[in-house]
Amino acid sequence: AQKITQTQPGMFVQEKEAVTLDCTYDTSDQSYGLFWYKQPSSGEMIFLIYQGSYDEQNATEGRYSLNFQKARKSANLVISASQLGDSAMYFCAMREAFSSGSARQLTFGSGTQLTVLP
Amino acid sequence: DSGVTQTPKHLITATGQRVTLRCSPRSGDLSVYWYQQSLDQGLQFLIQYYNGEERAKGNILERFSAQQFPDLHSELNLSSLELGDSALYFCASSVGTGVHGYTFGSGTRLTVV
Repeated sequence: AQKITQTQPGMFVQEKEAVTLDCTYDTSDQSYGLFWYKQPSSGEMIFLIYQGSYDEQNATEGRYSLNFQKARKSANLVISASQLGDSAMYFCAMREAFSSGSARQLTFGSGTQLTVLP
Repeated sequence: DSGVTQTPKHLITATGQRVTLRCSPRSGDLSVYWYQQSLDQGLQFLIQYYNGEERAKGNILERFSAQQFPDLHSELNLSSLELGDSALYFCASSVGTGVHGYTFGSGTRLTVV
């Protein structure tokens, strides 16, 4: 079964507008972490934002915020005031509970290709 | 520069050949993770090493193997290459018990012809 689901293969947004990228996840762990990464056309993976399962407040990092709804198992990324440079592929990822002292691997969704229109 | 170094950046090789991809983790990070990104499979976890020991295995083919050396750098060996192995291979590193902070390298783009 899919652990991370991103249902929007592609999204368009007008420059300076806000956009929400959807992510739902599935886990039976109580302790887990949710991540968003940006992958521009150059290929590198850029960390954007992190939300821990026990964090009571939604994470924010500059223009990025994470709308965390634990009961619904969703972790949507909100980008405010979109810029042309935000055009990229965006991946949602989850890390489940730690194992024997080391962090577990990330499981990624299929990604959303965001295009910002001038 | 993310602090994770992957070499080479690009690799073109023929079917049936063997290649080695190298990863140097960020200073102080004990865990190394290998991922394969292809158009049809997306980002797939291959294998994790922690302080020299294999810690977790994902969808890694038997033709693929990896190891982490005492200086913590890691190598991913791909043998009997097929056209379908063409992909972007990422290495990431993290501190052992870090809450977050997976740092990715810039990837090695492998093309099998």
